[in-house]
Amino acid sequence: DAGVIQSPRHEVTEMGQEVTLRCKPISGHDYLFWYRQTMMRGLELLIYFNNNVPIDDSGMPEDRFSAKMPNASFSTLKIQPSEPRDSAVYFCASSRPDRGSEQYFGPGTRLTVT
Amino acid sequence: LAKTTQPISMDSYEGQEVNITCSHNNIATNDYITWYQQFPSQGPRFIIQGYKTKVTNEVASLFIPADRKSSTLSLPRVSLSDTAVYYCLVGDRGGGSQGNLIFGKGTKLSVKP
Repeated sequence: DAGVIQSPRHEVTEMGQEVTLRCKPISGHDYLFWYRQTMMRGLELLIYFNNNVPIDDSGMPEDRFSAKMPNASFSTLKIQPSEPRDSAVYFCASSRPDRGSEQYFGPGTRLTVT
Repeated sequence: LAKTTQPISMDSYEGQEVNITCSHNNIATNDYITWYQQFPSQGPRFIIQGYKTKVTNEVASLFIPADRKSSTLSLPRVSLSDTAVYYCLVGDRGGGSQGNLIFGKGTKLSVKP
């Protein structure tokens, strides 16, 4: 398996623009997680899905952030409008059924908002 | 969710054994102890998980005393490539609403030649 795939790997955008991050989980994994990592705040869980259904989005910072999982092999995290404080590395992770604590992370998307 | 406490940083030299201890005084009966490793510019990588006593795999060993209020990750004969941040997490093995993992600051291990 290719592992968790994320795109793009790097994104530079201007404040106010819409940003869409993409994730393809490992086949057969029914949990999908979106994290954000910064030096100041560390690794934060934003939202996670089970069988394509959002379970907990309490970590989503505000309404500018939204996430979808239209099918088992694809998820998006959208920021609209983006702000400089959204600059961070965004990770997607997936895990097998009943093994949510054993997560496999993608390479991340480094987002820079100027 | 049980909170964990681990050292902010540790230094070691190549070839030495490194032990990183994590405290989790409020661990629940159903909680497992999980360790992740993160290299710079990469996502965290699951390395080992245990419930009690000792677990060993090709990467590390995990020692858990009977009271389960702490755990020790042991890395045998470290090399420069083991330089990374190591996270200790406690939670339900299955994930779900009870098992969201909370990554703290981790322990930054620096291995020197």
